[in-house]
Amino acid sequence: KQEVTQIPAALSVPEGENLVLNCSFTDSAIYNLQWFRQDPGKGLTSLLLIQSSQREQTSGRLNASLDKSSGRSTLYIAASQPGDSATYLCAVSSSNTGKLIFGQGTTLQVKP
Amino acid sequence: GAVVSQHPSWVICKSGTSVKIECRSLDFQATTMFWYRQFPKQSLMLMATSNEGSKATYEQGVEKDKFLINHASLTLSTLTVTSAHPEDSSFYICSAKDRVFSEQYFGPGTRLTVT
Repeated sequence: KQEVTQIPAALSVPEGENLVLNCSFTDSAIYNLQWFRQDPGKGLTSLLLIQSSQREQTSGRLNASLDKSSGRSTLYIAASQPGDSATYLCAVSSSNTGKLIFGQGTTLQVKP
Repeated sequence: GAVVSQHPSWVICKSGTSVKIECRSLDFQATTMFWYRQFPKQSLMLMATSNEGSKATYEQGVEKDKFLINHASLTLSTLTVTSAHPEDSSFYICSAKDRVFSEQYFGPGTRLTVT
């Protein structure tokens, strides 16, 4: 059974800092991996999707990497801003059905 | 971009009553929709996969008679929480998979409070 773990559970950094969020999964046979952002009481916003054949994806200040063999992904946020404060969720899909298994999330606070 | 809506955005109901939550894909067709629930400060747990025109597939531990799912069209899936109890209070989120491009989009969620 696929399990997804995110470390740390919470993170507080000063504005401008670069940071890394970690995600690990137990079964390396994944179809794709996604990183989402969730603001309090809101739905999910997709940030980056990495197919199993890819190593990384970039969007603006965000860069996500994938190492399938070791069951790990990282989300790198450059030059963090207070507006980046949110919970970041990692999710993996084991097939093209779209079923996602989510990690517990990392709650990020960026202080001005 | 593609938009998924949920209605209502929040609902308060009395114990023992039933509540229906709608999930709509506004500008694309979705043969598959997913229903998740999220308890406070916890992650999303998949409840069921809803396929247009067929019965939903429920995850282990989810009571299909309590959480009725209907996917009657390519743009609408409904989740009915029957005989709701306080422990059903949660944040319910749906997602819809685009029929053509296979991208998945999430709705804004529905906050259910059972008193």
